Amino acid sequence: GAGVSQSPRYKVAKRGQDVALRCDPISGHVSLFWYQQALGQGPEFLTYFQNEAQLDKSGLPSDRFFAERPEGSVSTLKIQRTQQEDSAVYLCASSLGWNSGNTIYFGEGSWLTVV
Amino acid sequence: SQQGEEDPQALSIQEGENATMNCSYKTSINNLQWYRQNSGRGLVHLILIRSNEREKHSGRLRVTLDTSKKSSSLLITASRAADTASYFCATVVSGNTGKLIFGQGTTLQVKP
Repeated sequence: GAGVSQSPRYKVAKRGQDVALRCDPISGHVSLFWYQQALGQGPEFLTYFQNEAQLDKSGLPSDRFFAERPEGSVSTLKIQRTQQEDSAVYLCASSLGWNSGNTIYFGEGSWLTVV
Repeated sequence: SQQGEEDPQALSIQEGENATMNCSYKTSINNLQWYRQNSGRGLVHLILIRSNEREKHSGRLRVTLDTSKKSSSLLITASRAADTASYFCATVVSGNTGKLIFGQGTTLQVKP
């Protein structure tokens, strides 16, 4: 597609429920990032993939958060046993490669509300 | 955690005026990028400035970088109501794989 696509755009989950957020990066982009953005804050890094390899998961806030990219394209961020503090926008981004000079393109985000 | 701070946190100006936003960071960087975010939307890349560059222009945008002070500024000239948005600076720390570390952002309101 033309840009990074995320689904669902909006998700309301009951506390304790598991959720899965999907990201379709720009075709051919090697690098894929997940960020979490709380209301009124800047995005915070969660995890990074180069192709199918998860090279950095230092930002995942707890072991309830899990991300995968099994075939090096589509990625899924899974949150188990959601808590109210997980309410945020989850942004996916992709870029051509690991070269830090490459522009990173963001999707519109998945808005998660845990009630 | 966030890399640095942005100043001011909020800015309100009249259409046609210039808007200046500042960003400070803490560590050595490879490059610094500015992003814009409209309410309820994703981030849009505006401009990238490398650590060996001091100034860059793109249309009505002018970005400066002072690595000795670990700071950057974004100037929007002749602002328009459509420029109303949040603006974030983000740094790519030296040696890492392109991961962006964002500031807290500046909320700009341009009144028609």
